[in-house]
Amino acid sequence: KQEVTQIPAALSVPEGENLVLNCSFTDSAIYNLQWFRQDPGKGLTSLLLIQSSQREQTSGRLNASLDKSSGRSTLYIAASQPGDSATYLCAVVSGGGNKLTFGTGTQLKVEL
Amino acid sequence: SQTIHQWPATLVQPVGSPLSLECTVEGTSNPNLYWYRQAAGRGLQLLFYSVGIGQISSEVPQNLSASRPQDRQFILSSKKLLLSDSGFYLCAWSTGAGQPQHFGDGTRLSIL
Repeated sequence: KQEVTQIPAALSVPEGENLVLNCSFTDSAIYNLQWFRQDPGKGLTSLLLIQSSQREQTSGRLNASLDKSSGRSTLYIAASQPGDSATYLCAVVSGGGNKLTFGTGTQLKVEL
Repeated sequence: SQTIHQWPATLVQPVGSPLSLECTVEGTSNPNLYWYRQAAGRGLQLLFYSVGIGQISSEVPQNLSASRPQDRQFILSSKKLLLSDSGFYLCAWSTGAGQPQHFGDGTRLSIL
């Protein structure tokens, strides 16, 4: 059974700092990995999707990497802003039906 | 462009009452559809997914059921709600295997 872990559970940083969020998964036989953002009381916003054959994806100040063999992914946020404050979730697809298995998230707070 | 709608946004129901949550997708055809639940202090858990009209797969045994009466409509139901059914319910869609999932704004369900 696939299990996804995210470290740290919570993170507080000053504005402008670069930061890294970590995600690990137990079964390396994944099809893809997706990073999401969730604001309090809201749904999920898709940030980046990395296919199993890819090493990284970039969107603006976000860069996600994937090391499938070691079961790890990182989300790098450059020059953090208070608007980046949210919970960040990673999820993997590792079976039929395109079903996502989610981590429990990292709650990020970027302070002025 | 594609959009996903969920309603209601919030719902308060007594134990033992029935439930019907609706999700519709616009701007695409034959999407994969998903229902997730996010319980307090826990990660997102996949409840049901559907790859076509009338095709429903259940991921966990529970008090809920799902139906897909039309191509872009996904309904989550219960005949008698339990306290343990409280949570944040999210609907999602994707174009198929290997493609990103996109989420609605969710329904917060409280059972009294």
